[in-house]
Amino acid sequence: AQSVTQLGSHVSVSEGALVLLRCNYSSSVPPYLFWYVQYPNQGLQLLLKYTSAATLVKGINGFEAEFKKSETSFHLTKPSAHMSDAAEYFCAVMGGNQAGTALIFGKGTTLSVSS
Amino acid sequence: EAEVAQSPRYKITEKSQAVAFWCDPISGHATLYWYRQILGQGPELLVQFQDESVVDDSQLPKDRFSAERLKGVDSTLKIQPAELGDSAMYLCASSQRTGGANGYTFGSGTRLTVV
Repeated sequence: AQSVTQLGSHVSVSEGALVLLRCNYSSSVPPYLFWYVQYPNQGLQLLLKYTSAATLVKGINGFEAEFKKSETSFHLTKPSAHMSDAAEYFCAVMGGNQAGTALIFGKGTTLSVSS
Repeated sequence: EAEVAQSPRYKITEKSQAVAFWCDPISGHATLYWYRQILGQGPELLVQFQDESVVDDSQLPKDRFSAERLKGVDSTLKIQPAELGDSAMYLCASSQRTGGANGYTFGSGTRLTVV
């Protein structure tokens, strides 16, 4: 079954620094992968998704992620962190459930940004 | 932009009481999902509907949880009786019939506190 593992439950960066949030997937077939962001007491907002087109995916708010099959990774990056990026980030894979079309999430990474 | 509507936003209930959450997906979205998110963790799938039919409820604690989507549109998730461990955010999401590669949209969630 498909699954994702997020490495690091908490990442801290300074404003203007590179953001790197790590996600590795486990899948026997080419996966559809997603990154979501969640602000306190809110739902999930899609940042970007990989659906087997281009391996470098650009999303909203300056985020991007690169699908690397050889490393089974889909890490999320942003060149320069902003205070407003502080939030919880979730990596997810489609199809890890019985019906094959639900999103299965990692445990999340909390991003803190200091001035 | 179309949204997934959820109500209530917050709910406090006493242990052993019944509680219900409502979700109205995006118009035309055939697939509806209910997730539970315990504080500090990633969302976990509870149940998935395709139109009015349950296609995956393998992770739903059926002794106390029930879900329905009678006309294939809006959905209700019920807990009876509520336990302290049910305190969590309950998220609803919807996607088109062809699956989530075209995108999943999440509601703002219902924050349940059981006292």
